[in-house]
Amino acid sequence: DGGITQSPKYLFRKEGQNVTLSCEQNLNHDAMYWYRQDPGQGLRLIYYSQIVNDFQKGDIAEGYSVSREKKESFPLTVTSAQKNPTAFYLCASTRTAGGQVETQYFGPGTRLLVL
Amino acid sequence: GEDVEQSLFLSVREGDSSVINCTYTDSSSTYLYWYKQEPGAGLQLLTYIFSNMDMKQDQRLTVLLNKKDKHLSLRIADTQTGDSAIYFCAESIGGATNKLIFGTGTLLAVQP
Repeated sequence: DGGITQSPKYLFRKEGQNVTLSCEQNLNHDAMYWYRQDPGQGLRLIYYSQIVNDFQKGDIAEGYSVSREKKESFPLTVTSAQKNPTAFYLCASTRTAGGQVETQYFGPGTRLLVL
Repeated sequence: GEDVEQSLFLSVREGDSSVINCTYTDSSSTYLYWYKQEPGAGLQLLTYIFSNMDMKQDQRLTVLLNKKDKHLSLRIADTQTGDSAIYFCAESIGGATNKLIFGTGTLLAVQP
């Protein structure tokens, strides 16, 4: 089955710790996205990648970092510089990045909690 | 600027129709989407409409777009308890990023 997987489902972070959220897709999609969802709010874009070895900041990139070494993988690291990391993190992908509008498909999400 | 607004909550009885409304501000939107999110889960694409269309019907779902008023609605016919979820509208402004601007979500509660 083709799809997007995110792991872990729940993640706990201690103060001052960096944690990495995994996102993998086997849809052969070029573009991948990371969103953050807070209670009662819509999704906000953290980072996106249009192609391997390339990524751009979204609206709320501060305190986060990403890499795109493989087409199918787009891990997100929440660094200690992110002062309010508790949220639900969603990864998405689209078949192509530009030239025409493509539908975004979402993974099941990772809930990050700060201890 | 880009902004998408939705009412926060809607309660209906099972079997009734539900209408979830959304307003957006960016007139350059190319596609508009409706996503469904069940508790603790990711977003599931329900349907979408291209900005040059007025209406799209897909089984129990009807999407209406009033481009002049920048108003989008999702009608769910014969609402079931399994339809209880948060519904997000989103606009795509296209370009090189396929960036989506999401609304705050509407919680639909279906009473048996």
